[in-house]
Amino acid sequence: AQRVTQPEKLLSVFKGAPVELKCNYSYSGSPELFWYVQYSRQRLQLLLRHISRESIKGFTADLNKGETSFHLKKPFAQEEDSAMYYCALRPAGNKLTFGGGTRVLVKP
Amino acid sequence: DTGVSQNPRHKITKRGQNVTFRCDPISEHNRLYWYRQTLGQGPEFLTYFQNEAQLEKSRLLSDRFSAERPKGSFSTLEIQRTEQGDSAMYLCASSPFTGDHNYGYTFGSGTRLTVV
Repeated sequence: AQRVTQPEKLLSVFKGAPVELKCNYSYSGSPELFWYVQYSRQRLQLLLRHISRESIKGFTADLNKGETSFHLKKPFAQEEDSAMYYCALRPAGNKLTFGGGTRVLVKP
Repeated sequence: DTGVSQNPRHKITKRGQNVTFRCDPISEHNRLYWYRQTLGQGPEFLTYFQNEAQLEKSRLLSDRFSAERPKGSFSTLEIQRTEQGDSAMYLCASSPFTGDHNYGYTFGSGTRLTVV
């Protein structure tokens, strides 16, 4: 069975500092990986997906199959990045499995 | 079409009562998912539909829980004989499903259930 682990419950950084959210997964096949974000009082929304190799709001994530990781990074955090972040895995055509989430707090 | 809509937003019920939640997905999306989220946890999968067919149910979904999507459009999630442990946010999401499996989900705002 697939599993997603986000080891940090809370990350607190100062504005302008780099931020990295860790995500490790276990799955025997080739999964699709996603990052979702939930800002205060808003619904859960897709931030980025590994297949697109895109940068959204300055965030990037690289799939490392050897280490089974999909860490999310941003070189210069902004206050508006404060939110809950969830890493999620989906075997091809199947449902998403979420990690427990990491709360990011960006201090001024 | 303004996205995924869930009703009601909040529900307070007494233990032992039955409750029903509704989800209206994005109209072009043939897949519909139900998740449950408790405080401090990520969303946990409950069940999902492709059109009107229920394709998978989690072991979390006891026999007190039932979900339907009768015409492949909106879906309902019913909980019978509610227990305090059922208190959670119930999330609905939809997505298109084609040969490209890389679509993300669009989530609704959720229904917060409190069992007293």
